[in-house]
Amino acid sequence: ILNVEQSPQSLHVQEGDSTNFTCSFPSSNFYALHWYRWETAKSPEALFVMTLNGDEKKKGRISATLNTKEGYSYLYIKGSQPEDSATYLCASFFMYSGGGADGLTFGKGTHLIIQP
Amino acid sequence: DAGVTQSPTHLIKTRGQQVTLRCSPKSGHDTVSWYQQALGQGPQFIFQYYEEEERQRGNFPDRFSGHQFPNYSSELNVNALLLGDSALYLCASSQTGPQLGAFFGQGTRLTVV
Repeated sequence: ILNVEQSPQSLHVQEGDSTNFTCSFPSSNFYALHWYRWETAKSPEALFVMTLNGDEKKKGRISATLNTKEGYSYLYIKGSQPEDSATYLCASFFMYSGGGADGLTFGKGTHLIIQP
Repeated sequence: DAGVTQSPTHLIKTRGQQVTLRCSPKSGHDTVSWYQQALGQGPQFIFQYYEEEERQRGNFPDRFSGHQFPNYSSELNVNALLLGDSALYLCASSQTGPQLGAFFGQGTRLTVV
């Protein structure tokens, strides 16, 4: 059973502060790492998909890094705003020899609350 | 483009009953995956459909079955419902597979009483 772990489970951050959280995953058979942002009563929204070791992605104030050798990814939010409040999910996609796969394996998420 | 749509949004069923959930994928997407999110957990992969066939399956019993239609829409069926089947069921669509990105619906909240 593959485990994708996220930490912390929840996070309270003051508006304007920067923050980051972690996703760790097994390195073997790794193919891709996804980050999703999920607001209450909405659909999970894809933020980034990363596949290469050392890959970095940026979208406005949000960025992510990936280390496939050691099996972790960081998500950074610079200058947090109230609209950043959401659950951030990471998911790994693993590919096995012969081309088999099991869909996305999700962590439990980091619940981020931005306090004005 | 309406994105991924799921129906119904909520439903309540009794133990032992059967339920069908529906998903219409984003325009241009041919692959549909289903996930179950129980309270306090991350989404768990149920199965994936491509070209009207189940291509991959997670660790779920045979009570969970599905179907994909020629227009790429999909159904998830659960037989002999258990209280533990209460969860949010998410549908995700992609082109050929989710490895390089997936679009999710808002989910169907199933409560089994």
